[in-house]
Amino acid sequence: DAKTTQPPSMDCAEGRAANLPCNHSTISGNEYVYWYRQIHSQGPQYIIHGLKNNETNEMASLIITEDRKSSTLILPHATLRDTAVYYCIARGEDNTDKLIFGTGTRLQVFP
Amino acid sequence: AAGVIQSPRHLIKEKRETATLKCYPIPRHDTVYWYQQGPGQDPQFLISFYEKMQSDKGSIPDRFSAQQFSDYHSELNMSSLELGDSALYFCASSWDSMNTEAFFGQGTRLTVV
Repeated sequence: DAKTTQPPSMDCAEGRAANLPCNHSTISGNEYVYWYRQIHSQGPQYIIHGLKNNETNEMASLIITEDRKSSTLILPHATLRDTAVYYCIARGEDNTDKLIFGTGTRLQVFP
Repeated sequence: AAGVIQSPRHLIKEKRETATLKCYPIPRHDTVYWYQQGPGQDPQFLISFYEKMQSDKGSIPDRFSAQQFSDYHSELNMSSLELGDSALYFCASSWDSMNTEAFFGQGTRLTVV
């Protein structure tokens, strides 16, 4: 599984967009980029995933560079409830492929 | 919508005792994953099952065993508990399709005293 690197922490003002970067320079062709978040010891929550095209859902947008070596998770209007640890994970396409959690980015949204 | 159900939510055991954690996946999900998260740490993969067979194994101690039953629920059995086994244990499930997301339960907090 490809290793991902993320900044350990970020701050964001409430109502502003939060842009969380992730580097995955060794990602292989069949690995997807998944984003999860964990709010204060709750179970990790799925956010979004993609292969090479940009993706958007009701929670966030995922922008993947053309060379697939990095990506950015965008929370368009951060709220206090978005304060969490965000994990970027490279995972194979098979449903039995495990998720390997790195250290993640601790996002603090402030009023 | 139904989610992944884990029981119990909290468990307190003494050293050298045994514990059994249960996971009930989302209906029609046939893959289950177990994770351990120690205090201040990130979730660590333990083991996974697909169609009742072990599909992958991570850093699971030999004192731990797990299985997936015919109804797809899974149990993690932990014996000779140590203080260091105190952690959150998460179960996740997914269904048999390519590039499908896994959904996590709310976890079992195990405290070994």
